Amino acid sequence: DTGVSQDPRHKITKRGQNVTFRCDPISEHNRLYWYRQTLGQGPEFLTYFQNEAQLEKSRLLSDRFSAERPKGSFSTLEIQRTEQGDSAMYLCASSTGSNTEAFFGQGTRLTVV
Amino acid sequence: QKEVEQNSGPLSVPEGAIASLNCTYSDRGSQSFFWYRQYSGKSPELIMFIYSNGDKEDGRFTAQLNKASQYVSLLIRDSQPSDSATYLCAVSKAGTASKLTFGTGTRLQVTL
Repeated sequence: DTGVSQDPRHKITKRGQNVTFRCDPISEHNRLYWYRQTLGQGPEFLTYFQNEAQLEKSRLLSDRFSAERPKGSFSTLEIQRTEQGDSAMYLCASSTGSNTEAFFGQGTRLTVV
Repeated sequence: QKEVEQNSGPLSVPEGAIASLNCTYSDRGSQSFFWYRQYSGKSPELIMFIYSNGDKEDGRFTAQLNKASQYVSLLIRDSQPSDSATYLCAVSKAGTASKLTFGTGTRLQVTL
């Protein structure tokens, strides 16, 4: 499978716990994006990387959220001290360049109880 | 005013008919326009993209862009029950490195 891969697909966690998600982009794609989608809404941009550099972060990304992309390959998104409002689908996408098509992974559905 | 607006639906069309999905955007700096299909519980899947005014056809799908009216549409010909899904319109602006701004999506139901 050469598409965008996300792991895990589902995560249930207790409020206050930390969680980490992983995204493996399409191999030749140098741009990687994280989005969050809640029920009935479209995906909302969180952050994006070009290679290993994190170039933009949304104001939605509070201090509890951190993302990394070491070596410009896979990326991780960590949420510290999870809150019930963090429950959402976390989507990763990748693309080859500016204003080109972005392809999404299967998403990680987070439920905070 | 939302940056990207779509009617949430549901839009119901009979099998074999043409489904017309509409999207308006507020930022005239928007440069690229995308349609994604999303089945319930799944991630968005890219269907079409369009950069220039006019029509772009791909199989049963036609995307239409009118930058003067800040309007994008997606036509689905010969609609099939498998087309039943939520269709998300997304735009990106010049110089924003493909950061997409999405509408809330239109739910399409194709009835037998």
